[in-house]
Order: sequence, then C-alpha cells, then structure tokens
Amino acid sequence: QKEVEQDPGPLSVPEGAIVSLNCTYSNSAFQYFMWYRQYSRKGPELLMYTYSSGNKEDGRFTAQVDKSSKYISLFIRDSQPSDSATYLCAMTHSGSARQLTFGSGTQLTVLP
Amino acid sequence: DADVTQTPRNRITKTGKRIMLECSQTKGHDRMYWYRQDPGLGLRLIYYSFDVKDINKGEISDGYSVSRQAQAKFSLSLESAIPNQTALYFCATSGTGSSYNEQFFGPGTRLTVL
Repeated sequence: QKEVEQDPGPLSVPEGAIVSLNCTYSNSAFQYFMWYRQYSRKGPELLMYTYSSGNKEDGRFTAQVDKSSKYISLFIRDSQPSDSATYLCAMTHSGSARQLTFGSGTQLTVLP
Repeated sequence: DADVTQTPRNRITKTGKRIMLECSQTKGHDRMYWYRQDPGLGLRLIYYSFDVKDINKGEISDGYSVSRQAQAKFSLSLESAIPNQTALYFCATSGTGSSYNEQFFGPGTRLTVL
C-alpha cells in the first residue's frame, strides 16, 4: 500500500465548476502538506502549503487538512480552463529530513 | 530567467551508455534534489543534498549517482543506462528555516533509453 493515495482521474469539469481534489495517507507522522500544480511538459509548482490540520485559502483555492481522518483536499472555486493541469499532493514530517512523499497526481481538465 | 534550469531537456540514448543530467539554480538555496516521475507513480526521490559536502540516497538510488559541484550545481549520472530508467527527471531546490519544506522544481529532462 502506498503511503499517499491519490485518484489519478482524469477529471473533466465545465468552466465555473467547483473542483475537489483529494489525497489520503497512512503515515500519522505527516504534519506538513502541500499541493503542487504541474502543467504539461513543465515542472511542478507549489500551489498551497499548510501545516497540521485546518483550512487555508488563497484566492480561488482552499486547502483543507483533516489529520484525524488522514485526508487532505484542495478545492478550486470558479474553475477556469487555465486550471487544467495535473495536481499533486505532497507531505512530510520533521523526522524525515523533510523528504516529500508525493501522491501520483490527478489530471484535471476544465472545459470552456 | 528561470531559477532552476536543467540540461538537456530531452535525451535519447542506448542501453549501457553513461548519461549525465545537470541542474543549476540561482535561488541561493542550499538544498537540492533529484526526482524521477513515471506515469501512475508520481515523483520519487533519487538523491538529495543539503550542502556541498552532504549527499544522501533517496527512495530509488540504485543505478544512479550524483555530484554536488557547487552550491548551485547538482548533477545526476546514470553509469550504465537501462530501458527502465526511461522517465521524466526533475531537479528541485529548497531553502532553510521555515521555507525548507517548499521545493522549487526545474522544467525537467525527458530521458529515453532504447
């Protein structure tokens, strides 16, 4: 079983929809959680970074962490065609020399 | 100009050949990483370096070696390439202190081993 599970999709939604992307994990030591966005033929770029449980909002993006359920989510409001990309969750903890463990990524397409 | 650059961007080689992938960064970060990305498997860590004298194996280091020539340069070598090393390779960097969980990635090198 992978430490981090992420539905690979693909996920297609119409422009303006609310998108929910999720990851589950098995290692209860994880305490830092990130979402990366990767456009085709590009390197991943950091989108959201959260520590421990709770919500964090940045514009149209909201990251949510539920450590009790070992579940993290990324919500995209008013989705745009420019949001079409692969979204990767990543996580780490202080005892891991800060090595990131990545999910396999969810491919999202927002249709105009 | 890009903060993290990788060369080459694409490479096709044959089984048994030695290959070097290079990474340079202008972010002033101490920490550098090499990952490979395969469909369905996400990003997996090959090697990482916290400074010029500190090199560490990651999850999948077998068949790879690295060299940290300077704070800004980190190279990945495949001594004798094999077809299952065909993948997308990324270099990444991170700072220290509160920001060192945030990794910044280069554009990637697409390697094909025939």
